[in-house]
Amino acid sequence: DIQMTQSPSSLTASIGDSVTITCRASQSINNFLNWYQQKPGKAPKLLIYAASSLQSGVPSRFSGSGSGTDFTLTVSSLQPEDFATYYCQQSYRTTLTFGGGTKVEIK
Amino acid sequence: QLQLQESGPGLVKPSETLSLTCTVSGGSINSSTYYWGWIRQPPGKGLEWIGSKYYGGSTYNSPSLKSRVTISADTSKNQFSLKLSSVTAADTAVYFCARIHMRELLLDYWGHGTLVTVSS
Repeated sequence: DIQMTQSPSSLTASIGDSVTITCRASQSINNFLNWYQQKPGKAPKLLIYAASSLQSGVPSRFSGSGSGTDFTLTVSSLQPEDFATYYCQQSYRTTLTFGGGTKVEIK
Repeated sequence: QLQLQESGPGLVKPSETLSLTCTVSGGSINSSTYYWGWIRQPPGKGLEWIGSKYYGGSTYNSPSLKSRVTISADTSKNQFSLKLSSVTAADTAVYFCARIHMRELLLDYWGHGTLVTVSS
């Protein structure tokens, strides 16, 4: 299995802040990395695919970068609806794996 | 608009088999572009991929669950199903079905999820 490690596991931020979440793969996965947002009681929502491509309909304040083993998701100017848990997922192998999640909470 | 809906018992006894079905509407599972997959989330924990199924036959399962998982597809009903055998309390989770792009392996449509509790 390819292990995906996210950090931090949680963070607190204020409306308008910029936050960055990190995801590290246990081996190189090129740019085969997707990001999801999940709100309580809801299914995850795809935000970013192929490390940096914005899914249709997702606000441009979300951005992704990285390649190889290290990736980041940045949310610039946090909005109230952005407080949620974020997951990375490797798409390098058909045996998919997710990171442990990062919960973004209001300060 | 594509929609996925999970259905099945919400309570399963230990050692028995968990069975869930995902009904797809607004699109066909007979597609060479997509896999159809299952993901679960124990209460308060993260996401765990269970397995993916191509309607034409190929199946990929999580190595940690592989021996207990069966995913099948019924194209006549536009449904795909999950069977997880020999369940324990550790299998208590919300189970989601999802569409998976075969090329990018991204999950772009999800069901709402269904809670399955394993308890006697």
